[in-house]
Amino acid sequence: DTGVSQNPRHKITKRGQNVTFRCDPISEHNRLYWYRQTLGQGPEFLTYFQNEAQLEKSRLLSDRFSAERPKGSFSTLEIQRTEQGDSAMYLCASSSLMDTQYFGPGTRLTVL
Amino acid sequence: AQSVTQLDSQVPVFEEAPVELRCNYSSSVSVYLFWYVQYPNQGLQLLLKYLSGSTLVESINGFEAEFNKSQTSFHLRKPSVHISDTAEYFCAVILSGAGSYQLTFGKGTKLSVIP
Repeated sequence: DTGVSQNPRHKITKRGQNVTFRCDPISEHNRLYWYRQTLGQGPEFLTYFQNEAQLEKSRLLSDRFSAERPKGSFSTLEIQRTEQGDSAMYLCASSSLMDTQYFGPGTRLTVL
Repeated sequence: AQSVTQLDSQVPVFEEAPVELRCNYSSSVSVYLFWYVQYPNQGLQLLLKYLSGSTLVESINGFEAEFNKSQTSFHLRKPSVHISDTAEYFCAVILSGAGSYQLTFGKGTKLSVIP
């Protein structure tokens, strides 16, 4: 069990640029989740996959956000035309059926 | 929709003193309850959880939490804190049996243990 990994750990970009983050879940976990955490707040749910199917999306996930999990293993979260309000810590978590969500270290995005 | 309230944003406490971090939730259906801890510069780690059964749950490092359905609370307690307990603590819920697996978090409580 190597834990959930996320890359990159930090990303600085200019407003209007596209960014992509990667999450590698714990290998036997079939559920994968994305959350966003801003300063002074708890994490907020963005979206969730069971295997390769995206089953739930939050209203927070605007049209500029897209997430994929093409083979039911790793996942990517892309933000197009970044805005300063997108600056946050993006967290990935994974779980097996009916079990605890285990979180990765997060990717900190700063939009200048 | 469910919500989680952590009434205290910061809790300073002296080493070896007891501590209680408060968590209340709002939901019209049954919930599963969690406490996560975030140490400085680290990711979220599960501290303890309540799914069913005994309403008192314990962690391996001396924390405990009690599910109180009538009070809709899940307060976290430790009888004697250590410097190493300095961290931010998040209470979270999942609606049970609703087919949704999203965690709803509170805003967190920063515990500072003073030597």
